[in-house]
Amino acid sequence: AQKVTQAQTEISVVEKEDVTLDCVYETRDTTYYLFWYKQPPSGELVFLIRRNSFDEQNEISGRYSWNFQKSTSSFNFTITASQVVDSAVYFCALSISLTGANNLFFGTGTRLTVIP
Amino acid sequence: DVKVTQSSRYLVKRTGEKVFLECVQDMDHENMFWYRQDPGLGLRLIYFSYDVKMKEKGDIPEGYSVSREKKERFSLILESTSTNQTSMYLCATRTGRSYNEQFFGPGTRLTVL
Repeated sequence: AQKVTQAQTEISVVEKEDVTLDCVYETRDTTYYLFWYKQPPSGELVFLIRRNSFDEQNEISGRYSWNFQKSTSSFNFTITASQVVDSAVYFCALSISLTGANNLFFGTGTRLTVIP
Repeated sequence: DVKVTQSSRYLVKRTGEKVFLECVQDMDHENMFWYRQDPGLGLRLIYFSYDVKMKEKGDIPEGYSVSREKKERFSLILESTSTNQTSMYLCATRTGRSYNEQFFGPGTRLTVL
């Protein structure tokens, strides 16, 4: 069975602090994909990043960085120098490569509040 | 840019009423999805469709049905609403395989009184 755990329900940080959002996943598949989505107050989920199970390289995009570690089944997301605009609910998701079926499993989300 | 629109942002209905939630996309994506989002539960898949007139049940299909008569349009139908269907409903689309990202609409917040 597939499962994504985001243990942090809510996090509050002061602007310019760094913050890490945790994501732990479970799957028996050897081929899978991990995603992060952002849901701002407007409601629309926005895709941030995708990682496949064969690529453990960390990725940095501006103030965002992602740390993928297969050994601990984690795909953590760090925001450096947080800004008020980063306030949102962040979802981690796991997709496995079954043909003909949808298979995107979401975590329960982490609500990040950045205080000015 | 992919555009996914949903027919209403907010909807208030009474128990037992029939509700149609409509989702339209403009990017010719084969796959379309309906999720509901509830606090503490994340997003749960209700139904998805991988082609016109094709549909498959997701994790929580009970109390819902869907219709996809045209590629760009995917409707979620609540035949007889109940209070436990009060939720945020999100539509999404995707092209190709499951490793591609999904594109989401703005959501419809449905309240059933």
